[in-house]
Amino acid sequence: ILNVEQSPQSLHVQEGDSTNFTCSFPSSNFYALHWYRWETAKSPEALFVMTLNGDEKKKGRISATLNTKEGYSYLYIKGSQPEDSATYLCAFSNTGNQFYFGTGTSLTVIP
Amino acid sequence: GAGVSQSPSNKVTEKGKDVELRCDPISGHTALYWYRQRLGQGLEFLIYFQGNSAPDKSGLPSDRFSAERTGESVSTLTIQRTQQEDSAVYLCASSLSRPEGTQYFGPGTRLTVL
Repeated sequence: ILNVEQSPQSLHVQEGDSTNFTCSFPSSNFYALHWYRWETAKSPEALFVMTLNGDEKKKGRISATLNTKEGYSYLYIKGSQPEDSATYLCAFSNTGNQFYFGTGTSLTVIP
Repeated sequence: GAGVSQSPSNKVTEKGKDVELRCDPISGHTALYWYRQRLGQGLEFLIYFQGNSAPDKSGLPSDRFSAERTGESVSTLTIQRTQQEDSAVYLCASSLSRPEGTQYFGPGTRLTVL
């Protein structure tokens, strides 16, 4: 089993603050990295699929970067809103045939 | 269009019984994934199908677990002789084609083994 770590484990921010979290994964044999947003009582929602070193993806106020050589990805949220409150998961794949999830970063945005 | 559906949404069973969980992916999605989340734990990858084939079954937790997919559509996850540690939410996802494609998740099946 490959180790995928996310930090911090949980985060509380004020509405309007910008924030970021980290996903660390093995730096060898990279295939893809996925970011998901998971709200309580709902199914995970795909945010980004990242496949190339140096990838930068953006969706509205959320963006992500990828460094496969050093084995990390950052997720950024600009101007956090209460509706951004969720658990943010990353999933790493080394072969494309299995996915290894981090335990997630739980974000709470305080109005 | 219709998303990924799973049935049943909830299943309560007695230890030792067999259960079947069903996943209907988005039409046209050739890749299908099974995951589970046990209470207090993270998401755990179980198996991935490309078409009707599973390239790697090593994620299945024991030989009591099996999965199949037919017609590049519906998939069934079967757990034989269920144990209490099998209690979890079982999630299915599908993506358009290759494993790096965006995965769309179903609502999950909550399995409780008494």
